[in-house]
Amino acid sequence: SQQGEEDPQALSIQEGENATMNCSYKTSINNLQWYRQNSGRGLVHLILIRSNEREKHSGRLRVTLDTSKKSSSLLITASRAADTASYFCATETSGSRLTFGEGTQLTVNP
Amino acid sequence: EAGVVQSPRYKIIEKKQPVAFWCNPISGHNTLYWYLQNLGQGPELLIRYENEEAVDDSQLPKDRFSAERLKGVDSTLKIQPAELGDSAVYLCASSSSRFTGELFFGEGSRLTVL
Repeated sequence: SQQGEEDPQALSIQEGENATMNCSYKTSINNLQWYRQNSGRGLVHLILIRSNEREKHSGRLRVTLDTSKKSSSLLITASRAADTASYFCATETSGSRLTFGEGTQLTVNP
Repeated sequence: EAGVVQSPRYKIIEKKQPVAFWCNPISGHNTLYWYLQNLGQGPELLIRYENEEAVDDSQLPKDRFSAERLKGVDSTLKIQPAELGDSAVYLCASSSSRFTGELFFGEGSRLTVL
């Protein structure tokens, strides 16, 4: 069963624009992570935000976490064609289980 | 440093046949995961190992799926017999701590059952 739900399911933007993806979850978490998956490849870890953190940055990535609303967002600024991929949020709950959402398919058009 | 290695990358079999997937995690990573990923969906955990011990296998369909991690290093996931619905990508991942943090994934093994 999936704990997280990403929104939107698909997103298409032009190069240089910002892309925002949202993730909602159901139960209390220890941390929330975002991963990227290029077509036909494995997942690559992007960023981890702990339950006591509200915002985190890594290069062109900005992640926010609102535990009261049980939601997170991933912002990619100044997107590039190479950012085209599926993006998944994953929540770690008690017992150290990491559960992934359904993902957002991002297409960045050159 | 070598990443997580999985084999085979692709496997096509007929239903009712057995199939096995192999995973070699990153050296020194004690925690190993097997995930199943259906097309267009997120990965779903099948089993998690801490060294040789399966600490979370509640989502592994034990009637036909089995896994082992002898000596706490590489791991094998087996399906016997395979069904049409088992067609999916089987992902292996490893991490340095059972308190999670970053998971490192292999490229996956894509199974097609005819």
